[in-house]
Amino acid sequence: EPEVTQTPSHQVTQMGQEVILRCVPISNHLYFYWYRQILGQKVEFLVSFYNNEISEKSEIFDDQFSVERPDGSNFTLKIRSTKLEDSAMYFCASSEFRGGTEAFFGQGTRLTVV
Amino acid sequence: GIQVEQSPPDLILQEGANSTLRCNFSDSVNNLQWFHQNPWGQLINLFYIPSGTKQNGRLSATTVATERYSLLYISSSQTTDSGVYFCAVAPYNNNDMRFGAGTRLTVKP
Repeated sequence: EPEVTQTPSHQVTQMGQEVILRCVPISNHLYFYWYRQILGQKVEFLVSFYNNEISEKSEIFDDQFSVERPDGSNFTLKIRSTKLEDSAMYFCASSEFRGGTEAFFGQGTRLTVV
Repeated sequence: GIQVEQSPPDLILQEGANSTLRCNFSDSVNNLQWFHQNPWGQLINLFYIPSGTKQNGRLSATTVATERYSLLYISSSQTTDSGVYFCAVAPYNNNDMRFGAGTRLTVKP
């Protein structure tokens, strides 16, 4: 069964460093998403991406964050100048259509900022 | 934006018991999914169920879209069912999902 894959599964970074989280969406999907879950809290929407552009973004997704589809298979989330409060589980998801369709989630990347 | 409320927030069961988890949402939706978050933090998709009823083994789900709620039933619970169950919805015009706060289920042997 096709699946969304995320790498790495766990990343530890120093405060102030930049990190790139990587995702490979399902191959025929056109819509891509990033979500964040701070430990013990609910999953929060960050951004959606289609046709090489951001479709929607939440108030969490400020200038510290950026997304990119650098090639035909990868979808990345870049976090600049990481802060302690960026420590969280980050989930990538993809769907075939914009609405009315199942979203498939990756297994997540646990980011720890020290 | 759309609001998602899950109840109860916590649920403790003895192994073998049945349970019902509820998800209420504040607006019309085009997508509703139930997830189980395992101890490693992974989101396991249980159901894609914007309307109707589905069953998968001991689990089943029903969404009544016109009344804006969904129910997840767990029968003959096992200790491996423990974890947090999330409901997530997306409005009609996109697939940007909004999650509820979850129900933490503990099944005791």
